[in-house]
Formats: sequence, structure tokens, C-alpha cells
Amino acid sequence: LAKTTQPISMDSYEGQEVNITCSHNNIATNDYITWYQQFPSQGPRFIIQGYKTKVTNEVASLFIPADRKSSTLSLPRVSLSDTAVYYCLVGDQGNTDKLIFGTGTRLQVFP
Amino acid sequence: GAVVSQHPSWVICKSGTSVKIECRSLDFQATTMFWYRQFPKQSLMLMATSNEGSKATYEQGVEKDKFLINHASLTLSTLTVTSAHPEDSSFYICSASEELAETYNEQFFGPGTRLTVL
Repeated sequence: LAKTTQPISMDSYEGQEVNITCSHNNIATNDYITWYQQFPSQGPRFIIQGYKTKVTNEVASLFIPADRKSSTLSLPRVSLSDTAVYYCLVGDQGNTDKLIFGTGTRLQVFP
Repeated sequence: GAVVSQHPSWVICKSGTSVKIECRSLDFQATTMFWYRQFPKQSLMLMATSNEGSKATYEQGVEKDKFLINHASLTLSTLTVTSAHPEDSSFYICSASEELAETYNEQFFGPGTRLTVL
């Protein structure tokens, strides 16, 4: 399994862009990189997924360098409601679909 | 989008009793369902993976006789915490994956069940 490493916490202010970087040095060729968001006392919610280069959706962007050993989740112009824990996950190397959650990054957005 | 529900959303029980938590996929057929446990300020810990009609696969360190999982249909999985004790108090979250999901390995999570054992 590819292990992921993220900062434990980050602080930001409303309106700023937030970049959360995740390291996954042992990522396998077939692995995808997926980010989830979790609010307190709720289940995680899928944000974005990518394999290489850049992916953008209505919520965030995901930047993946050519070596794929890291990835950066970019949240443009955060608001107070973006305060949550963000998890970076890498797809299981095997054929199962299970997800192994790392520590996640606790993002606190201040007014 | 795909919706997963859990029932109950919270439960309080006495030590020694058993508690059943239901997980339902409301608008899709879930070929695989997963059960997680999350303690305060900690990450999700995968407990088991269940496939419809077959026995669940438990992660190392999870007691299969204590946490009974049944996946009787493509839309329902249940987790029964048998003889619950205060140390079993936690937030239990289920998720489901859809065979025909457009996104690789995307899981849809339920809202969670808060279990408190007195």
C-alpha cells in the first residue's frame, strides 16, 4: 500500500487560496490519487481525483508532478465553510477497492 | 449523486448489549460496502470489507465475532456490535462503491452513527 504523508494542520483566512501537499513516494503505476473532505460528525465526501498532471473541477484543482510522488490539492478562495479535514488517498495496489486513510490535514479557515 | 444512509444516526446503550447499525445505498447497487470506525480527532480506520452474499473480510486486529457484518443485498449492509463495552464507543461510518462508477474506486460515505456505550 502506498503510504501518504500530509501536514497535520493548516490555517488560512477567508478569500485566500489554500494548497495542501501530500507525499506518496511509493505510489504504484496503477494507483490513482483521491482527495476527500470530512466535516465534524459526518462521513467523508469525495472532492477530486487524478492520475497525472492537473485536474480541475468546480470545487478544487489537483496538481500532480510527472514523478507522481506527491500531489497538491488547491482550494481557491476558501470560505469558513471549507474548515474541515482533508484526506489524501492513493488507490490500493491490489485489486480490492479498499481505501486506507492517513492522518489527514485539518484546515481551519478564519474570518 | 449516489446517496448512502445510515440508521440510527446515534445510539446510546448499556454495556453488554448488542447494537445493530444499518447502511443503505439509496439510489444505486453497492457491490461492495465498507465499515470504518473513527475516534475523536483521529482518522478513519477501516474495519472490514463486505461483498453481497459473501463473508466480510476483516482488517487485522478487528474481532469478527464482536463486529458482525451482514451484506444480505446489494443495497443493505449491517454492522452489529455484540456485547458492547465503553471502549466500543465511537463514530461508525459505512461507505459503498458502485460497480459502474465513473470515478475510479470512488466510495460514497454514509453520515455516520455515533455509538455511546454506558
